[in-house]
Formats: sequence, C-alpha cells, structure tokens
Amino acid sequence: SQKIEQNSEALNIQEGKTATLTCNYTNYSPAYLQWYRQDPGRGPVFLLLIRENEKEKRKERLKVTFDTTLKQSLFHITASQPADSATYLCAPLGSGAGSYQLTFGKGTKLSVIP
Amino acid sequence: NAGVTQTPKFQVLKTGQSMTLQCAQDMNHNSMYWYRQDPGMGLRLIYYSASEGTTDKGEVPNGYNVSRLNKREFSLRLESAAPSQTSVYFCASSEAELILSYNEQFFGPGTRLTVL
Repeated sequence: SQKIEQNSEALNIQEGKTATLTCNYTNYSPAYLQWYRQDPGRGPVFLLLIRENEKEKRKERLKVTFDTTLKQSLFHITASQPADSATYLCAPLGSGAGSYQLTFGKGTKLSVIP
Repeated sequence: NAGVTQTPKFQVLKTGQSMTLQCAQDMNHNSMYWYRQDPGMGLRLIYYSASEGTTDKGEVPNGYNVSRLNKREFSLRLESAAPSQTSVYFCASSEAELILSYNEQFFGPGTRLTVL
C-alpha cells in the first residue's frame, strides 16, 4: 500500500537557522507533491507544489526538492523565524480507488526558538 | 471572499445519534473533499466530489454519507455516530479534479466532533 513518512514528529531549531523537513514515500510514483502548513486549531494552508520533472522549487524563504529516485522530498525554511512554528504536511498525489487523491503525511511539528 | 466555511465548529454527540456537517465554498471550485484528522494518523480522505452531481469514496468512507447539494455545498452525514468517529473534520475544495491540473486545495477551519 502507499505509504508516506515524514522524518520526525517534532523538530526544534534556533531562530535564523535553516530548517529541513523530510518526506519519504513508498509504493507509488506521484506526479507531483504538495506541502502545506497547519497552525493549531486551523485547517492546512497550501505552500508549494513541485512536479515530478522539477528538481527544485522556491518561494521566498521556502525551498522544496523532489528526488523521484530516492522517493523523497525535502522542505527547507531558510532564516527561520518564530512565526514559522507550525506543523508542516507533505502530500504526494497518489492513486487509489480508480482516481487520484492527495495522501497526507502525519506532519512534522516545527518549533523555532528565539 | 469567505473561502471554505464549515458548520458547526464544535459538536458533541451521543453514540447512535445522527448529524450533518455542512461545508460551503465561494470560489466557484468544481471539486470538494471531506477529510478527518486524528492524532498520529494524519489527514485521511473520507469522500470527495470531483464535480457537481458526482461523489466518490476515499480512504475511510465507512459510517459516512455525503451529498453534493450544488456546486457550492458539500455535506457529510453521520447516520449513527460511534466513538471511533470522534475526530476533527475538514472540508476542502480545489478548482478542478486533482489529476486534471496541478491544483492546490483550500481548507475550511474544521469541525471538532466528539462522540460519547
């Protein structure tokens, strides 16, 4: 069955450093992968999408890589700030029940310490 | 634009009771989704509607029914609530069916449901 693993449940990092979050997937080949941010008590908010033929995507301080050989995506936040503290979800596009659906990882809770 | 709205925000039910969770979007999106989120499980798709008039099962549809009332509204019904359905429920929408284009999903604020 399709499986997604985000490297750790929680990650603590000092303000100003680069945070790196990992998403590994098995048993499928997604056409693209999305990253979302979720704050406590709120719904997820879309951040970035990367396609299978793209190696890297950037948006301001955010960078996402997609390695289809390793079946892995890395999500980087440079010059991290306390306001970046949230849970980050990766969501590869998987296939199931005859259609295509986003399958979400359990998320990594990032805490940026001042 | 309000985006995606959900009602109610909180609900407590007794086992065996029924209720309907409401969801509406004002972005003229074609596709709508219902997810549940449980600690340690991540978001799991319950049902989705690729377009008005169609609905399909997701990963965990048992115990639920849905209705795509019109393009704006997509409701989720629990006919006989069970404690295992205690969860946070999120509705989401996207411009088109995922496979057709690289669409982001827009999520509502969630409904926190407790079944006693």
